[in-house]
Amino acid sequence: EDQVTQSPEALRLQEGESSSLNCSYTVSGLRGLFWYRQDPGKGPEFLFTLYSAGEEKEKERLKATLTKKESFLHITAPKPEDSATYLCAVHQLITQGGSEKLVFGKGTKLTVNP
Amino acid sequence: DGGITQSPKYLFRKEGQNVTLSCEQNLNHDAMYWYRQDPGQGLRLIYYSQIVNDFQKGDIAEGYSVSREKKESFPLTVTSAQKNPTAFYLCASSIGRGRRNTEAFFGQGTRLTVV
Repeated sequence: EDQVTQSPEALRLQEGESSSLNCSYTVSGLRGLFWYRQDPGKGPEFLFTLYSAGEEKEKERLKATLTKKESFLHITAPKPEDSATYLCAVHQLITQGGSEKLVFGKGTKLTVNP
Repeated sequence: DGGITQSPKYLFRKEGQNVTLSCEQNLNHDAMYWYRQDPGQGLRLIYYSQIVNDFQKGDIAEGYSVSREKKESFPLTVTSAQKNPTAFYLCASSIGRGRRNTEAFFGQGTRLTVV
């Protein structure tokens, strides 16, 4: 069964304490991997797209990397405003019918304490 | 400003009623999606559409219906057959099949509560 698994489910950090979030996937027909940030009661906000193993993207304190089986979201020197749920999604090509869909992991809830 | 607009933000439904959630986008995207989000469950796909007048069931389509008569609009109806409709509903769109930059962009969601 195609799956996207994020770990840990929740992570508490002190301000300035760097860490990484993991997203592992077992889908076939991968056409892209996406990271989103979601604040409570709001829709997910797009952060990054990664298409091929070895690719990296950076934005402020966030850096996303991709291998053939997993992606990492590295958070360097986080601040309290980085507190949110971070979602990983894969863009999957469904061979039957040629349609495409997004499959999401359950997310990692990050809390950064001042 | 280009974006995705969902309305209403909050919706209350009585038992046995059908309700329709609106989703409009002005990004000129071909593909549109509806997701349901419950605590601890992540986003689950209800329906998706790659092009006007065509849509496919997602993983949890039972009790829901959609239409795609216009490129900009993808309304979701929660029918009385949906046994547990209380949830946060999210609409998204992406540029479409076969193209690069296929990331999806989301609306701000509709919170549906059964009273």
